[in-house]
Amino acid sequence: DSGVTQTPKHLITATGQRVTLRCSPRSGDLSVYWYQQSLDQGLQFLIQYYNGEERAKGNILERFSAQQFPDLHSELNLSSLELGDSALYFCASGQGIHEQYFGPGTRLTVT
Amino acid sequence: DQQVKQNSPSLSVQEGRISILNCDYTNSMFDYFLWYKKYPAEGPTFLISISSIKDKNEDGRFTVFLNKSAKHLSLHIVPSQPGDSAVYFCAASGVWDSGAGSYQLTFGKGTKLSVIP
Repeated sequence: DSGVTQTPKHLITATGQRVTLRCSPRSGDLSVYWYQQSLDQGLQFLIQYYNGEERAKGNILERFSAQQFPDLHSELNLSSLELGDSALYFCASGQGIHEQYFGPGTRLTVT
Repeated sequence: DQQVKQNSPSLSVQEGRISILNCDYTNSMFDYFLWYKKYPAEGPTFLISISSIKDKNEDGRFTVFLNKSAKHLSLHIVPSQPGDSAVYFCAASGVWDSGAGSYQLTFGKGTKLSVIP
């Protein structure tokens, strides 16, 4: 158990809808990272927050957004969903250094 | 353009033998490298890492070797055990801007290791 929690575990929704994925980092970790793992892809970095502020952006679509709250939990919002957004979404946390600790992921299925 | 490549999608090894997983990278800005292990239906688990100032790091049965001139790293597992069967991801890290705590990992696509009893 990495200490990182993600909810929900599974999510099934229709195209065009909006969903919110939630992540609680390990105690004491200030950084939260979001990654997407599609069927034939490795883990793709989406976005990083550090102590409430956006710190780095990767291949995140404009339809996706994230935030980190004062209690350090984070939410990833996915809107106008398309079939191709179906993937595993992982949250990771860390202390602002290289090592990151991953949650169990949220499996999103868009139908 | 894949900056971190794991060219072997799968690897089978007999229990007790050595497993060698390989990884190549292209970006000279990477200065830290990590290996993660992933079981089905779980998130990746951090295994071992190495800084670019070193060429070897060892932790129990796991050793990571870094060859900077070749932009190549490898993970050795000795002896291999059936519980090591998982997907192994190589990841590279670098600071992409000057802000503190600005790290992101670039992952390879993974190598599925099967350890046969």
